[in-house]
This record gives sequence, C-alpha cells and structure tokens, in this order.
Amino acid sequence: AQTVTQSQPEMSVQEAETVTLSCTYDTSENNYYLFWYKQPPSRQMILVIRQEAYKQQNATENRFSVNFQKAAKSFSLKISDSQLGDTAMYFCAFMKQRGSGTYKYIFGTGTRLKVLA
Amino acid sequence: EAQVTQNPRYLITVTGKKLTVTCSQNMNHEYMSWYRQDPGLGLRQIYYSMNVEVTDKGDVPEGYKVSRKEKRNFPLILESPSPNQTSLYFCASSSLGDSSYEQYFGPGTRLTVT
Repeated sequence: AQTVTQSQPEMSVQEAETVTLSCTYDTSENNYYLFWYKQPPSRQMILVIRQEAYKQQNATENRFSVNFQKAAKSFSLKISDSQLGDTAMYFCAFMKQRGSGTYKYIFGTGTRLKVLA
Repeated sequence: EAQVTQNPRYLITVTGKKLTVTCSQNMNHEYMSWYRQDPGLGLRQIYYSMNVEVTDKGDVPEGYKVSRKEKRNFPLILESPSPNQTSLYFCASSSLGDSSYEQYFGPGTRLTVT
C-alpha cells in the first residue's frame, strides 16, 4: 500500500530565511503525481506545487520549489524568502491512477510551519 | 467564480441524529471526494466518485454514505453519527480531463458530535 510520511510535525523559520519541509513516500508504481498543499489558519486547502513522476526536472512556483528524488522516493518542499503569510500547515500528497481508471490520493500527516517576524 | 461549496460550515449535533453535509462544485468536474482531517492523521479519504452514479469507498468509509445523482453535487450522509466522527470534513473535486490532477477543496465543515 502506498504511504506518505512527513517526519516533521512542526517547524519554524525566521522571516526572509529559507526552510525545507520533507516528505517521503512508498510506492511500487512508476507513474504518479506528487503535490504540496498549504492550509493556512483559514483552513482552506491551497495547491502550492505539483510534480509529475515522469519529469526529471524539479517543479518551481515563484518562491516554492521541490527537490524530487524518485529513486529515494523523496519529495521535499523548499520555501525561499519566507514570509509571514507562509505560516500554515503543509500537506504532502501522492496520487496515482489505478488500473480500474480510478484515482487514489494519499495525504501525509502534515507539517505545521510558523514564520517568525 | 470557480469554487467548491460546503454547507454547513459548522455543525454541532447529538449521537444518532442523521445529518447531511452538502457539497457542490461549479467547474463541471467528474471526480469528487470527501476527506476527514484529524490532528496527527492528516487527510483521510472517506468516499470518492468518478462521475454520476459512480461512487466507491476510500480509506475510512465506515459510518458514512454518499450519493452522486447530479454531476455538481456530492452530499455526505451520516445516518447515525457517533462522537468518533467529530472531525473537520473537506469536499474536493477535480477534472479527469485535466492532466494536472489538481484537487479543488471546499472551505471545510467542522462537525462536533456529542
């Protein structure tokens, strides 16, 4: 069974600094998708970044980038120039398409990030 | 505005009193899903639907029912709620024709069962 592990329940970073959130997953699949979602205090789930497993190049979205290591099954999120608005819970998620055509999404347990002024 | 709506946003109820949480999306998405979020457990999938009249169990379906009679709506039904169903619930949708596989989430429903 697929699993997603976020080993850092809580982290903090100074404003303007860089922080990396870790995520590892376990799968025997070769084709899948990985996501980072942000959940601010408002509780709204917001997509931060996504990565297709078949792409070697690491995805980037402005200050957010990933380090995707397929062989190691690792998908870390790097936030550069941290801002107070980055304070949130961050969830790593895995998705694969089943043989039946359905989709399976699995989420990690989350990392609570606090950006300090 | 493209969105997923859920109602109610907050609900306090008593054990055994049937309730329904509604979910609606205006993006013509085929895929819809319900999750519950609990501290230390992340989001766990309850049920999902690939299209109208096509639903299937997720990882934690016990005590829940769903239906998908219309493409836009995917209500979550708790026939006899129990305190262990106290949780934060999210509805989400995504397009199967869009290779991004991004899920769009509703604002969440905080349910307390006493």
